[in-house]
Amino acid sequence: RKEVEQDPGPFNVPEGATVAFNCTYSNSASQSFFWYRQDCRKEPKLLMSVYSSGNEDGRFTAQLNRASQYISLLIRDSKLSDSATYLCVVIVTGNQFYFGTGTSLTVIP
Amino acid sequence: GAGVSQSPSNKVTEKGKDVELRCDPISGHTALYWYRQRLGQGLEFLIYFQGNSAPDKSGLPSDRFSAERTGESVSTLTIQRTQQEDSAVYLCASSFRQGGQPQHFGDGTRLSIL
Repeated sequence: RKEVEQDPGPFNVPEGATVAFNCTYSNSASQSFFWYRQDCRKEPKLLMSVYSSGNEDGRFTAQLNRASQYISLLIRDSKLSDSATYLCVVIVTGNQFYFGTGTSLTVIP
Repeated sequence: GAGVSQSPSNKVTEKGKDVELRCDPISGHTALYWYRQRLGQGLEFLIYFQGNSAPDKSGLPSDRFSAERTGESVSTLTIQRTQQEDSAVYLCASSFRQGGQPQHFGDGTRLSIL
């Protein structure tokens, strides 16, 4: 079983739609979680951290479900500029960190 | 700028040549990471440094790959006797310390082996 798994998509959604991605992880000792965004032929950029209590940044909401071992990213009111690949990152301990392979999102006019 | 800086941005070289890629991490970041990303693929972890030490080199694809870091700052990734399958974007990231902190990426070096 992979340490981190993401549905690769692609997710094609119309502008204004709400879309959610999940990322499951296998190690219950995982401690830190992040979502990154990667545009085509660009480097990954940190989108937001994921806290146990959940956190929101504008149209983006990240949540952690420790019982079911997954994190989620919710994007409300999708914009064309949200089109990108979204990567989850799970850190178990100092030297154990895992990137998901990414979920591709295309927002359609 | 204050971000992770990588050079060169692009490198085209002939098969069999050696290449050296450079990464300048964010000042004060003790952890530094190297990844490889082939077109349309996910990130492939290569190696990380805590300070100048690399505790885990198991991600390096072959003995043609080596990396070093000096002064807890600049790191170089060297690929000897390059092969066409080495063509990829090589990304460097750094974090404030190793473990629990988000990594910040440079723009990458796009390596093309002819």
